[in-house]
Amino acid sequence: QKEVEQNSGPLSVPEGAIASLNCTYSDRGSQSFFWYRQYSGKSPELIMSIYSNGDKEDGRFTAQLNKASQYVSLLIRDSQPSDSATYLCAVNPGNTPLVFGKGTRLSVIA
Amino acid sequence: SQTIHQWPATLVQPVGSPLSLECTVEGTSNPNLYWYRQAAGRGLQLLFYSVGIGQISSEVPQNLSASRPQDRQFILSSKKLLLSDSGFYLCAWSVSVRGSEQFFGPGTRLTVL
Repeated sequence: QKEVEQNSGPLSVPEGAIASLNCTYSDRGSQSFFWYRQYSGKSPELIMSIYSNGDKEDGRFTAQLNKASQYVSLLIRDSQPSDSATYLCAVNPGNTPLVFGKGTRLSVIA
Repeated sequence: SQTIHQWPATLVQPVGSPLSLECTVEGTSNPNLYWYRQAAGRGLQLLFYSVGIGQISSEVPQNLSASRPQDRQFILSSKKLLLSDSGFYLCAWSVSVRGSEQFFGPGTRLTVL
């Protein structure tokens, strides 16, 4: 069974710090990886996608992928209270729809 | 640009009553469509997905069903709701099942009493 694992948190970081969110996946053939942000009571919003090993930066967000270790991470620099949300990791194993992790709840303390 | 709509936004239904939730997508053709349920404090559970009109794949056996009567319309139904059907129902679309990201609608919050 294809699985995506995330620490449920909550992960608490002070305002201005770097928040590091991690995700591991079981299907070694996975090719596409996504991070979604979900505010309480709202639907998930796509914030990052990554397809090849290494880092991908977009503003304050950096996604990191290591296919050999089956590991994806999301770094949020200069964390703001508005970043407080649940972050979902999603992996596309190839022939089936996205598999989502259960999410990590991030709390940024002002 | 593409837009995905869901209605109603909130719904309170008694146990044993029927259910019909609708999702429509604008601005794209031949989307792949998905229904998810998110129970309180839980992860996303994929219920159904569809790659075309009349084509439905069921991921979890339960008292729910889905239909896709038109290219950009996806409907989630139940003949008799259970208490355990309460949750946040999300519709999503993607360009393809393989490799592409999904975009979510605003969701329907269903409470079964």
